[in-house]
Amino acid sequence: ETGVTQSPTHLIKTRGQQVTLRCSSQSGHNTVSWYQQALGQGPQFIFQYYREEENGRGNFPPRFSGLQFPNYSSELNVNALELDDSALYLCASSLGQGAGVIVAFFGQGTRLTVV
Amino acid sequence: RKEVEQDPGPFNVPEGATVAFNCTYSNSASQSFFWYRQDCRKEPKLLMSVYSSGNEDGRFTAQLNRASQYISLLIRDSKLSDSATYLCVVNEGQAGTALIFGKGTTLSVSS
Repeated sequence: ETGVTQSPTHLIKTRGQQVTLRCSSQSGHNTVSWYQQALGQGPQFIFQYYREEENGRGNFPPRFSGLQFPNYSSELNVNALELDDSALYLCASSLGQGAGVIVAFFGQGTRLTVV
Repeated sequence: RKEVEQDPGPFNVPEGATVAFNCTYSNSASQSFFWYRQDCRKEPKLLMSVYSSGNEDGRFTAQLNRASQYISLLIRDSKLSDSATYLCVVNEGQAGTALIFGKGTTLSVSS
């Protein structure tokens, strides 16, 4: 196992609601990234946190926001949920920053269904 | 043009077959290359990193051609347990940059 844990594993929300997803990174990993994976697609980058600061963001609207805590765990918040937000949300932890190979390890994901 | 392109398959092969997956990427600044494996409704798991000199891990061989921006994965002696989706992944290797995934290639190995 990767040591990256996410909660909850499954969630059903109504359109317009807000949701918070949680991730505990692998011990010693200071970088957390969030990805959205729609059915039949590869994961799409949402954003990345390093030492509690957002330091990279994909093509997602501002209603997708996040936090990283001093223990490097992280939250993904999505406001005003839309039907198209239904997807598997993946958290990946990795160590370090800068150039070079940055191997990421994924949690089991949270499957969000918006109805 | 999509950043990472893969043949989606599915590839249906018998046990013992050799199968090859190909992948192309558009960003010439990419520095890191990986193959991830994803089982149905599970998270992606790192299969192997891909190095310029090519690398092998048991039945799996990965190759990188930077000039052609092309990555490959060869699986020899396929097992039933190899059935999964294989994701080609690239990264610029810079702070704050994302892993860029292809859509994945589905492999089904049958007895």
